[in-house]
Amino acid sequence: GENVEQHPSTLSVQEGDSAVIKCTYSDSASNYFPWYKQELGKGPQLIIDIRSNVGEKKDQRIAVTLNKTAKHFSLHITETQPEDSAVYFCAASMDSWGKLQFGAGTQVVVTP
Amino acid sequence: EPEVTQTPSHQVTQMGQEVILRCVPISNHLYFYWYRQILGQKVEFLVSFYNNEISEKSEIFDDQFSVERPDGSNFTLKIRSTKLEDSAMYFCASRDTTGGPQPQHFGDGTRLSIL
Repeated sequence: GENVEQHPSTLSVQEGDSAVIKCTYSDSASNYFPWYKQELGKGPQLIIDIRSNVGEKKDQRIAVTLNKTAKHFSLHITETQPEDSAVYFCAASMDSWGKLQFGAGTQVVVTP
Repeated sequence: EPEVTQTPSHQVTQMGQEVILRCVPISNHLYFYWYRQILGQKVEFLVSFYNNEISEKSEIFDDQFSVERPDGSNFTLKIRSTKLEDSAMYFCASRDTTGGPQPQHFGDGTRLSIL
C-alpha cells in the first residue's frame, strides 16, 4: 500500500523567513495530495491541495509543488508569521474521495 | 463556515466496554470517514461510508468496529469491546460529492482513553 514519508519532523523559523516541508510517496497511482494544518486541540484543516495533472499551485503565502516522476511534493510557506505555528500534515490518495495516507507531521514553530 | 462536529471531545471508558463516538458531518455532504491517531503516530484511515454502506475499510477496522448513519445528520463509530490499544484521537471527516472532486473536511476529534 501507499506509504508517505514527511520531513522534517520539526522546523523552527524566524518570522518573515520561508518554511519548506517535503513529502515522498511510494504508490505511483496516487494522484491527489492535500496538506493539512493542525493547531493545538483542533482537527486537521485543509490549507491547499494539488492533483497530479498540475505541477504547482499557489494560494497567497502558501504553495505546493509536485514532482510525479520523483514521487515527491513539497509545501512552501513564505513570509512566515507566528500564527503559522502548527503541525502540518501531507497526505496522498488515489482520489479526493479515497482514503488519505498521511505523513507523520511537521511541527512548525515561527519565532518573532 | 460549515464544520464537522464531534462529540464528546473526550471519552474515558473501561476496557471491555462499548463506546460510541458521534459526528455530525457538514450538511449536504454525503461521503463520510473515520480516522484515528494514536499518540505519537500517524493519522490512520479506518473506514469510509457512502450511500448508507461502507465504501472501504482498513485492516484496523475489524469486527469490533461498526459505523452507522442512524438519521439524516449523525454518523457514528461504535467499538464493541474496547481494548487498551484503542486509546487514540478519533477524527471524523466528510466530503461534498457535487461539483467535481472535493476535499475531506475534518472535525476536531474525540480523544478516547481506555482504562
